[in-house]
Amino acid sequence: DTGVSQNPRHKITKRGQNVTFRCDPISEHNRLYWYRQTLGQGPEFLTYFQNEAQLEKSRLLSDRFSAERPKGSFSTLEIQRTEQGDSAMYLCASTTGGDSGGYTFGSGTRLTVV
Amino acid sequence: GIQVEQSPPDLILQEGANSTLRCNFSDSVNNLQWFHQNPWGQLINLFYIPSGTKQNGRLSATTVATERYSLLYISSSQTTDSGVYFCAVARSTPLVFGKGTRLSVIA
Repeated sequence: DTGVSQNPRHKITKRGQNVTFRCDPISEHNRLYWYRQTLGQGPEFLTYFQNEAQLEKSRLLSDRFSAERPKGSFSTLEIQRTEQGDSAMYLCASTTGGDSGGYTFGSGTRLTVV
Repeated sequence: GIQVEQSPPDLILQEGANSTLRCNFSDSVNNLQWFHQNPWGQLINLFYIPSGTKQNGRLSATTVATERYSLLYISSSQTTDSGVYFCAVARSTPLVFGKGTRLSVIA
């Protein structure tokens, strides 16, 4: 068990470009969450998966954002046509199924849109 | 949705001092967790504590679910305790985070 792994750690992109982040959860965890955190704020929920099924999406997740979790293992979060307001830390967490239990977070991907 | 308020927003302590961080929430929950975010951004899960009291070394936490608050106690603080402490709650998935308490422990 190597914990939750996120790649890349940092990403700088020009406005209008597409970016994709990857999250590898703890292998026995079947729930995977994406959060976004801006400076001075707590993490805000974006979306989550139970195995390969995307069960909930926040209103924060505009149509430029898409997330997948093929085969219920790793997940990707893609942002199309990036805007400066997308600059943030993108965090991934995993947990065992159900509404209880502790979340384990990855180290995050820091996105800067210039 | 559930509202989460944390206090104080900022706290400065001398090394060795004790502190209490508070988390109030607006609705009944079945999931409450405390996290520490270190200066590099890593969120570390400290406690899963929807009710009752738990202790882990110098840290302990108490949640009084019927009164909708939780407390995190840090004793004999060390410089490595610096960072932001978040409380997060949920009735069901997903967790909703407060804005955190920024703790600075000075030697």
